[in-house]
Amino acid sequence: QKEVEQDPGPLSVPEGAIVSLNCTYSNSAFQYFMWYRQYSRKGPELLMYTYSSGNKEDGRFTAQVDKSSKYISLFIRDSQPSDSATYLCAMTENNDYKLSFGAGTTVTVRA
Amino acid sequence: DAGITQSPRYKITETGRQVTLMCHQTWSHSYMFWYRQDLGHGLRLIYYSAAADITDKGEVPDGYVVSRSKTENFPLTLESATRSQTSVYFCASSQTGTAENIQYFGAGTRLSVL
Repeated sequence: QKEVEQDPGPLSVPEGAIVSLNCTYSNSAFQYFMWYRQYSRKGPELLMYTYSSGNKEDGRFTAQVDKSSKYISLFIRDSQPSDSATYLCAMTENNDYKLSFGAGTTVTVRA
Repeated sequence: DAGITQSPRYKITETGRQVTLMCHQTWSHSYMFWYRQDLGHGLRLIYYSAAADITDKGEVPDGYVVSRSKTENFPLTLESATRSQTSVYFCASSQTGTAENIQYFGAGTRLSVL
């Protein structure tokens, strides 16, 4: 079983819809949780990161972490065609060099 | 502000040939990483380096060699390329002293081994 599980999709939604992405993990020592966005033929870029449990909001994006359930989520409100990308979750223990990645979910927002 | 650059962006080679992928960062980050990205596997760590002259294996190191004589450069060499090494390779870097270990990625090198 992988340390981080992420449904690869693909996910196709109409413009303006709410996109919901999630990952589950098995390592209870993970403290930092990140979402990377990767456009086609580009490198991953950091979208958001959250420490421990709780919510974090940045514009149309909301990241949630539930450490008790070992479950993290990313919500995209009012989705735009420019949000079409692969979204990868990543997580790490405190002061660890290594990130553990999910496989990524490919999202297409239809105009 | 160049950040992290990889070269070449695309490479086609034949089995058995030696190939070197280059990675250069301008941030003076201590840590550098090499990943490969394949469908169904996500990002898998090949090698990483904590500082110049300090390197260590990741999850899938077989068939790869790295070196780091300067902080800013971290080349990845495939000593004798195989078809299974056809993949997209990403270099990343991160700063020490930060607990969250945010990694910054290059644009990738798409390698095809024929």
